Amino acid sequence: DAGVIQSPRHEVTEMGQEVTLRCKPISGHNSLFWYRQTMMRGLELLIYFNNNVPIDDSGMPEDRFSAKMPNASFSTLKIQPSEPRDSAVYFCASRLNYEQYFGPGTRLTVT
Amino acid sequence: GEDVEQSLFLSVREGDSSVINCTYTDSSSTYLYWYKQEPGAGLQLLTYIFSNMDMKQDQRLTVLLNKKDKHLSLRIADTQTGDSAIYFCAPCSARQLTFGSGTQLTVLP
Repeated sequence: DAGVIQSPRHEVTEMGQEVTLRCKPISGHNSLFWYRQTMMRGLELLIYFNNNVPIDDSGMPEDRFSAKMPNASFSTLKIQPSEPRDSAVYFCASRLNYEQYFGPGTRLTVT
Repeated sequence: GEDVEQSLFLSVREGDSSVINCTYTDSSSTYLYWYKQEPGAGLQLLTYIFSNMDMKQDQRLTVLLNKKDKHLSLRIADTQTGDSAIYFCAPCSARQLTFGSGTQLTVLP
């Protein structure tokens, strides 16, 4: 298996623009997680899905952030409008039973 | 919520053993993970231990769990330069992992 796939790997955008991050989980995994990593705050869980259903989105910073999982093989995290403080590395992870695997991350820079 | 504490830095000589420590607060953590992150990369799952175990060994890695003290450690035997990375402890409770700040391991030649 190719592992968790994320795109794009790098994104540079201007403040106010819409940003969409994409994730393809490992086939057969039934849980999917979105995390954000910054120097100041470390790794934070934003939202997670179980069987494509959002279970806990309490980590989503504000209404500018939204996430969807239309099917078992695809998820998106959208930021609209983006702000400089959203600059971070965003990770997607998928899990089956006790093993949770991370994607390579998307490095987002908002100028 | 869960608090997870780790030392920020650890330096060891190549060939020595490394021990990375972690303390956590949520006694309901059912299983506890160790991840490795190299620069510019995602988190690599190294190993995990169930809360009803005291120890788990996997090749050069040994995990020790003291549930009473809520203390978890990762020992890396015969540490190599390729082991230089950030190591994260992550207890799991209610299906969610809470990550520590990470320990930067530097292996000196």
